[in-house]
Amino acid sequence: SQTIHQWPATLVQPVGSPLSLECTVEGTSNPNLYWYRQAAGRGLQLLFYSVGIGQISSEVPQNLSASRPQDRQFILSSKKLLLSDSGFYLCAWSPGPPTGELFFGEGSRLTVL
Amino acid sequence: SQKIEQNSEALNIQEGKTATLTCNYTNYSPAYLQWYRQDPGRGPVFLLLIRENEKEKRKERLKVTFDTTLKQSLFHITASQPADSATYLCALVPDTGGFKTIFGAGTRLFVKA
Repeated sequence: SQTIHQWPATLVQPVGSPLSLECTVEGTSNPNLYWYRQAAGRGLQLLFYSVGIGQISSEVPQNLSASRPQDRQFILSSKKLLLSDSGFYLCAWSPGPPTGELFFGEGSRLTVL
Repeated sequence: SQKIEQNSEALNIQEGKTATLTCNYTNYSPAYLQWYRQDPGRGPVFLLLIRENEKEKRKERLKVTFDTTLKQSLFHITASQPADSATYLCALVPDTGGFKTIFGAGTRLFVKA
């Protein structure tokens, strides 16, 4: 069966510091991978998605970047965090079109102070 | 503009009753519509998807309907239990064959014993 791991679970970082969130998927090959952000009491905002190694699509211009160095690894990064980067970050994988259902990790809670 | 709208007010029902949650969308023509459950501090969990040519889909105590004329999906939980208390999200893939899944903001359900 497929599993998705995301870490760290909780992170408290000062403004201006770098960020790295990592996500790996097991039990499947060539998954579509996603990063979403969820602000408190809000819906899920799609940040990035990837359909293959090195292929990244950005949905929202922002202070963040994503990379996919291996087939089942997806990394979310920032060089300098802003207060507005605080939120709940979710990695997900999908078997792809046409149905597009997503399977999420447990999330990473980022607080920028 | 394109929108996915779910009732932002929480739904409170008594145990044993049927909970009905609504998802309306505007300026989309999805081939599939999905429903997820999210518990506080956790990632969403995929529950069901329904195709545009399916009027109704069932899974245990869950039932989803999809009306492409009304641009609406209804999500029913029959014989609700306190353990069903969570936020329920609807989502769709805007483009046939596309890779992006877009979410509504979700509706919080409270089931009282």
